[in-house]
Parts: sequence; structure tokens; C-alpha cells
Amino acid sequence: AQRVTQPEKLLSVFKGAPVELKCNYSYSGSPELFWYVQYSRQRLQLLLRHISRESIKGFTADLNKGETSFHLKKPFAQEEDSAMYYCALGSGGTSYGKLTFGQGTILTVHP
Amino acid sequence: EAGVTQFPSHSVIEKGQTVTLRCDPISGHDNLYWYRRVMGKEIKFLLHFVKESKQDESGMPNNRFLAERTGGTYSTLKVQPAELEDSGVYFCASSQTRDRQETQYFGPGTRLLVL
Repeated sequence: AQRVTQPEKLLSVFKGAPVELKCNYSYSGSPELFWYVQYSRQRLQLLLRHISRESIKGFTADLNKGETSFHLKKPFAQEEDSAMYYCALGSGGTSYGKLTFGQGTILTVHP
Repeated sequence: EAGVTQFPSHSVIEKGQTVTLRCDPISGHDNLYWYRRVMGKEIKFLLHFVKESKQDESGMPNNRFLAERTGGTYSTLKVQPAELEDSGVYFCASSQTRDRQETQYFGPGTRLLVL
């Protein structure tokens, strides 16, 4: 069965500090991994996906198949990064659209 | 371009009553998904429509839940009869293609409270 684990429910950092939100997954096939973010009073939206290998709002995430991890990192956190972050795993086959989410991490960036 | 919309935004009902949630996907998106987040738990997949057909309904919790997407446009999710454990936030999302890497666009959610 596929599973996504985000071990930290809450993460607090100060502005300008590095931040890392952890995500580990369990999946027997080739994983498709995403980070979704929900800012206060906004809807859930895609932040980035591993296949794109892009940096969005200064965030990056590297897929490490050996460690089955997809941690989200940003070298210098900003107050506007405060939000709920979800790591998600995409399924394949007939369940190709199904996303399996982690429990989410609430990031608070203090001034 | 209008995003995914959901109605109602909130619903408070009593145990045993029926509630119908509606989702309007982004125009032209064939794929429509329902998810829910029960208090304190992760967002869980319920089902996936491709146009009007159910592609995957493996996440539907039981037969009190009925989802439809007549005509392949908007979708409804009916809970009948509602139970206390059905309380949570129900999200709808849509995407355009079959590509599993594609972005899913989420609606604002419907907050359901069963008393």
C-alpha cells in the first residue's frame, strides 16, 4: 500500500533561517511526488512536483529513491511562507489520478 | 479563468439527514476528483471521474456515499444518511489530461458538520 509520512505536524522558524519539511513515502512503483500548499484562507495549490526539478518561491525538493524521501527545502524562509504544506504521492495504472497525502506540516515563520 | 467551485461552502446537518455537495470543475477538465479531510487526519482520496465515468472509486468509505457526474460536467456527492464521522472538509479537484504528473486544481472545499 502506498503511504506518505510527514513526521512534523508543526514547524517554526525565524525569518531568514533555512527550513526543511520532511516527507517520506512508501510505494512499490515509480513514484510521482508533489508538494501542495494551503495559505491562510486560500485553496490548496500545487507548489512543485519532482519531475519538473524546478524551484518555486525559493523552494526545492529532491527525490531520493534510496531513502524514499522528498523533503522540501528553502534556504531563507520568509513570513509569507507560513502555511500548511502537504506532500503527496501520485498513483499509476488505473488509479493514475489518485493522490495520497501526508498529514501536512504547518509552517510558521516568525519575524 | 474560473477555478474549481464548490457549493455549499459550509453545511451543518443532523445525523440521519441527507446532504448533497456540488463541484464544478474547470471548464474542459475531463478529470474530477473528490477528497476529504476528517478532523485531525490527512486528506484522503474518495473517487475519480473521467468525464461521466468512475475511473476509481476505491476511496469511497461505504454505500452511504453516492457520487455522480451526469453529462461529464459538474459532480455531486450525496451522503445519505449522514453519520457523525462524516464531518470534515470535502474537496473537489480537476485536471485536464490523463498525465499523472499533471496539476490537480482544488476547490475551496465544503465544510460539513454532522451533529
